[in-house]
Amino acid sequence: AQTVTQSQPEMSVQEAETVTLSCTYDTSENNYYLFWYKQPPSRQMILVIRQEAYKQQNATENRFSVNFQKAAKSFSLKISDSQLGDTAMYFCAFLSAGGGTASKLTFGTGTRLQVTL
Amino acid sequence: GAGVSQSPSNKVTEKGKDVELRCDPISGHTALYWYRQRLGQGLEFLIYFQGNSAPDKSGLPSDRFSAERTGESVSTLTIQRTQQEDSAVYLCASSFGGAPRTQYFGPGTRLTVL
Repeated sequence: AQTVTQSQPEMSVQEAETVTLSCTYDTSENNYYLFWYKQPPSRQMILVIRQEAYKQQNATENRFSVNFQKAAKSFSLKISDSQLGDTAMYFCAFLSAGGGTASKLTFGTGTRLQVTL
Repeated sequence: GAGVSQSPSNKVTEKGKDVELRCDPISGHTALYWYRQRLGQGLEFLIYFQGNSAPDKSGLPSDRFSAERTGESVSTLTIQRTQQEDSAVYLCASSFGGAPRTQYFGPGTRLTVL
């Protein structure tokens, strides 16, 4: 079974600064996908970024980028030029590429990010 | 286009009553998932539907929990004889096929069992 660990329950960053959220995972699989989801107070889970394990290049979406270290099983999220609207819970999630009954996402416990003025 | 919708948004019930939660997936998405999120925690997988295949029920916590899906459309999650520990947000997600497709989530139903 896979596990996902987010060791930072809470973080704070000033507006316009950069912050990095950590995520590690454990799996015996070679093909899989990793995600960061954002959950603002509205409860809506919003996809931030996705990384395919077979790709060496780190995924980037505007101000959001990841540092994917497959050997270390590490998948951190960097938010540049933080904005007040980035305030939310951030969840790291693992998805097996096997399909079928392996299609469920395995989530970490989340990091609460507060962006301040 | 429209996203995943869930109803009701909030549900308060008394211990021992049955509740039904509804999920409308994104049109054309063949896969549908239910997750549970307890206060301050991450999401726990409950059940997964993919097309006409038998659902993956491996995450259902007890036989009081059940779910149905009509074809590739609406799904209902039913909790019988609710207990206080069932209080949580129940989130539904859909995807165009199973893994490795990205799952898109609805806004959830907050269930409170008194």
